[in-house]
Amino acid sequence: KAGVTQTPRYLIKTRGQQVTLSCSPISGHRSVSWYQQTPGQGLQFLFEYFSETQRNKGNFPGRFSGRQFSNSRSEMNVSTLELGDSALYLCASSLRTRYSGIDYEQYFGPGTRLTVT
Amino acid sequence: KNEVEQSPQNLTAQEGEFITINCSYSVGISALHWLQQHPGGGIVSLFMLSSGKKKHGRLIATINIQEKHSSLHITASHPRDSAVYICAVAYSGAGSYQLTFGKGTKLSVIP
Repeated sequence: KAGVTQTPRYLIKTRGQQVTLSCSPISGHRSVSWYQQTPGQGLQFLFEYFSETQRNKGNFPGRFSGRQFSNSRSEMNVSTLELGDSALYLCASSLRTRYSGIDYEQYFGPGTRLTVT
Repeated sequence: KNEVEQSPQNLTAQEGEFITINCSYSVGISALHWLQQHPGGGIVSLFMLSSGKKKHGRLIATINIQEKHSSLHITASHPRDSAVYICAVAYSGAGSYQLTFGKGTKLSVIP
């Protein structure tokens, strides 16, 4: 089975621009979560999607948004980029279901390294 | 909000040594994950546990729900174990889900 894929792997943008990152989960996984990793803050939860619905969002400004398509692929968008948005953006998929209180192993993609200049 | 504390932050060990990394959290969780991150960024899930103990090869993870504490042990450490180990706690409720991460423990194993 193919793993989680993320595109692009590297990206350089200028302040004020916007960016869209893509994540394709493992086949059969309907839950996709996004995370931001920076040297200062470490890993932080951005949001989780299940069946095209955002179920939870971390403490990030509205410039960060996302969506999930019917095939479970997900995109996240950052508008009006700031220097502090430079980070490794990771997505992870799992077998989590809509109503399950049981946790499942998360499978991480390789990440997209975003540099804002 | 769940606070996750890991210790130590940095650890240097000689090849073959027994290694322990600790993780404490502040509120009730549905599960705890141990993750490994190598230089370059890729993250691999090592364990997910909600009670007791799990073993995979030279790695052992334990969790004490009452004390809100987990440990990751590496027996007979090897240079290829050099990586950052991250503890993450999962809160799952009302259909929502969120992982909160520790700052990580950077392990260097010297031959």
